[in-house]
Amino acid sequence: SQQGEEDPQALSIQEGENATMNCSYKTSINNLQWYRQNSGRGLVHLILIRSNEREKHSGRLRVTLDTSKKSSSLLITASRAADTASYFCVSQETSGSRLTFGEGTQLTVNP
Amino acid sequence: GAVVSQHPSRVICKSGTSVKIECRSLDFQATTMFWYRQFPKQSLMLMATSNEGSKATYEQGVEKDKFLINHASLTLSTLTVTSAHPEDSSFYICSATPFRDRVSYEQYFGPGTRLTVT
Repeated sequence: SQQGEEDPQALSIQEGENATMNCSYKTSINNLQWYRQNSGRGLVHLILIRSNEREKHSGRLRVTLDTSKKSSSLLITASRAADTASYFCVSQETSGSRLTFGEGTQLTVNP
Repeated sequence: GAVVSQHPSRVICKSGTSVKIECRSLDFQATTMFWYRQFPKQSLMLMATSNEGSKATYEQGVEKDKFLINHASLTLSTLTVTSAHPEDSSFYICSATPFRDRVSYEQYFGPGTRLTVT
């Protein structure tokens, strides 16, 4: 399969709680990115972490990258109902600009 | 910021007809454009990579004679679904990579085109 793996596949939490999503990838990468997608809509870029970085923050988002384990995590703190969406980790290979999408995590934040 | 548009946003066609989807980079030149397909409740799957002025590279399992890709300029790539069947109904998304010092890695995604084949 060309895709990486994400877990959990689905996550349901209450507003105010934190949400953590994990993903694994298969190849050597330049960077890893996280996107969100609302149902039936386009992709929204959230954050990019380069292969030489281990952690990055952007607002309520915190991303970690462990290249030795080929894994990344996305933490959304103090979640809101508007955070309900699908979240994809996307790895970019070192051999070019090709992106590989993870299977995605469906996050539901209950008000 | 870099903007990528797609047209149309939605299209319904009859089985056996062909449909053309356009992907445009509006404020940058794109050396490479990518076409993805997304079925309901699934992730995006790369279909093909197109470079301006050369033939597209298709992923394994994607029929190049069915999904015709033309990247005629640095701002436009088209995907034509030929002899469409209901199983081709999907969300098609393009992305574009800017040309920047011959080393580019950002990809900017279009809003997607919802194709329904009846």
